[in-house]
Amino acid sequence: EVQLVQSGAEVKKPGESLKISCKGSGYSFTTYWIGWVRQMPGKGLEWMGIIYPGDSDTRYSPSFQGQVTISADESLTTAYLQWNSLKASDTAMYYCARRGSEYFHLWGQGTLVTVSS
Amino acid sequence: SYVLTQPPSVSVAPGQTASVTCGGNNIGSKSVHWYQQKPGQAPVLVVYDDSDRPSGIPERFSGSNSGNTATLTISRVEAGDEADYYCQVWDSSSDHYVFGTGTKVTVL
Repeated sequence: EVQLVQSGAEVKKPGESLKISCKGSGYSFTTYWIGWVRQMPGKGLEWMGIIYPGDSDTRYSPSFQGQVTISADESLTTAYLQWNSLKASDTAMYYCARRGSEYFHLWGQGTLVTVSS
Repeated sequence: SYVLTQPPSVSVAPGQTASVTCGGNNIGSKSVHWYQQKPGQAPVLVVYDDSDRPSGIPERFSGSNSGNTATLTISRVEAGDEADYYCQVWDSSSDHYVFGTGTKVTVL
């Protein structure tokens, strides 16, 4: 089965670091771009960035450039989203999604990140 | 940056037709994609490339795109269609992906 499975919910304190994951299976992981999408509580979808696992080519939304780091491990067929210093405003659901042509046709189940002191 | 504007809400009676619009500057020159998101669930692609449907999506879901407005049309609306709907494009000038503001479709 072709799927993306994300890591579990996280509760962190402001200033802490975090790395969440998105494991692809059932397809050639290196030949599809993987994007990350944020959804803050009660709000809409925001594109954060995208990576091509085949060569780690990465693009960021200007809103998230410098705020997060997107990476991928080809051997583990896993993409990552990480923060060096979390803020309360990072509290959100984060989705990874596999890109088809210009759209996202396969989504992970989401990872809820809660940042609270 | 490119902006996509959707109405916050649309209400429709069962069996009727719901139209969700997505406005953007010359959006007709871009490919528009639509997602359905039910509460507590990940988004699901329902229309891609303006009017194509992924396998498993009912024919009741259709799309069009021209000028400055793209439209998702849901025919013969069912209670199970109640959800948030988002349009999305790829902005080639910036190589960025843009989501619309989202529309909550309520089935009366």
